[in-house]
Amino acid sequence: DTGVSQDPRHKITKRGQNVTFRCDPISEHNRLYWYRQTLGQGPEFLTYFQNEAQLEKSRLLSDRFSAERPKGSFSTLEIQRTEQGDSAMYLCASSSGLLNEKLFFGSGTQLSVL
Amino acid sequence: QKEVEQNSGPLSVPEGAIASLNCTYSDRGSQSFFWYRQYSGKSPELIMFIYSNGDKEDGRFTAQLNKASQYVSLLIRDSQPSDSATYLCAPGGSGGYNKLIFGAGTRLAVHP
Repeated sequence: DTGVSQDPRHKITKRGQNVTFRCDPISEHNRLYWYRQTLGQGPEFLTYFQNEAQLEKSRLLSDRFSAERPKGSFSTLEIQRTEQGDSAMYLCASSSGLLNEKLFFGSGTQLSVL
Repeated sequence: QKEVEQNSGPLSVPEGAIASLNCTYSDRGSQSFFWYRQYSGKSPELIMFIYSNGDKEDGRFTAQLNKASQYVSLLIRDSQPSDSATYLCAPGGSGGYNKLIFGAGTRLAVHP
């Protein structure tokens, strides 16, 4: 069990560019969540996958954001035409889906949009 | 009304004292409750969870849950400077999967 892995750890980009983040969950976990966190706030839910199916997407998430989990293993989160307001820590979490499941977070990707 | 409310702090306690962190939530359907610790610049780390009314103890940590009052708390006994962090309360489990809704967190400072 190597934990949840996220890549890259840091990303600096210019406004208007596209960025993509990757998350590798704990190997036996079939549930995967993406969250976003800004300074002084708790993590905010973005989207949820069970295996390869995206079952929920936050209403707060604009159409510039898209996430995939093509084979039910790793997941990618893409932000198109980035804006300064997208600057945040993007966190991935996974869980086993068992009764009383617990979410385990990766180290996150810190995005800075200049 | 926010879904999860926590006092932002900072809560300052002397080393060796008991730190008491409180949280109220609005979703009566929440079935599970989690406390995460987050050091500055790091990701949240699960430290406690509770599902039933009452108290649950794990080492220096005790979680308390009162579903009727929609209240959950975390007590840290014998606080250490290494406990200085932000503590996030997260109810979940009302929608068939564990989408956690986080509070903004309480910043705890333990001074020697």
